[in-house]
Amino acid sequence: EAQVTQNPRYLITVTGKKLTVTCSQNMNHEYMSWYRQDPGLGLRQIYYSMNVEVTDKGDVPEGYKVSRKEKRNFPLILESPSPNQTSLYFCASSALLGQAAAYTFGSGTRLTVV
Amino acid sequence: GESVGLHLPTLSVQEGDNSIINCAYSNSASDYFIWYKQESGKGPQFIIDIRSNMDKRQGQRVTVLLNKTVKHLSLQIAATQPGDSAVYFCAEKSQNFNKFYFGSGTKLNVKP
Repeated sequence: EAQVTQNPRYLITVTGKKLTVTCSQNMNHEYMSWYRQDPGLGLRQIYYSMNVEVTDKGDVPEGYKVSRKEKRNFPLILESPSPNQTSLYFCASSALLGQAAAYTFGSGTRLTVV
Repeated sequence: GESVGLHLPTLSVQEGDNSIINCAYSNSASDYFIWYKQESGKGPQFIIDIRSNMDKRQGQRVTVLLNKTVKHLSLQIAATQPGDSAVYFCAEKSQNFNKFYFGSGTKLNVKP
């Protein structure tokens, strides 16, 4: 089944403790992206990647890092999480964003930073 | 489930009625539009898309209408069912900027 898999689904952590949210897709998509979703604000892009070893900042990149060492994986790293990073996070992938290609989203990761 | 529906406009319809969900987009250069459905506890799911060279596209029980003059997109759901209850949001993409911008969504509540 074609899908984007995120782990974990739920995570509660303390301020300052480094964490990684993993994302993997099995569709051989070039484009991958991370979004956060907050009530009333919609989906906001954190980082995206056009292909292996190519990453760039989205609209709200502060406090996050990403890497794209392999085509299928695009982990999101929070080096020193803070309470304002409490949110619902989605990973998404797409074939060629330059064309009319829709995203496939993962099921989400609910992160709470206390 | 995930509380993604807080503070969203809500549309309540009776089961079997037709639903119309609206979206205003901001960028006149946007050339590709998508409607997503997000159920509680799940990621957004693709429903239907439309390119800017079209003004209407139909799928199974869904129709998307695009009015470029007033920068307005709508999603029509025929014979709405309880399983259609979810948050619906639109996304727009500009050829120039190669990224999607998402609306905040409308919560559809289907009453049995």
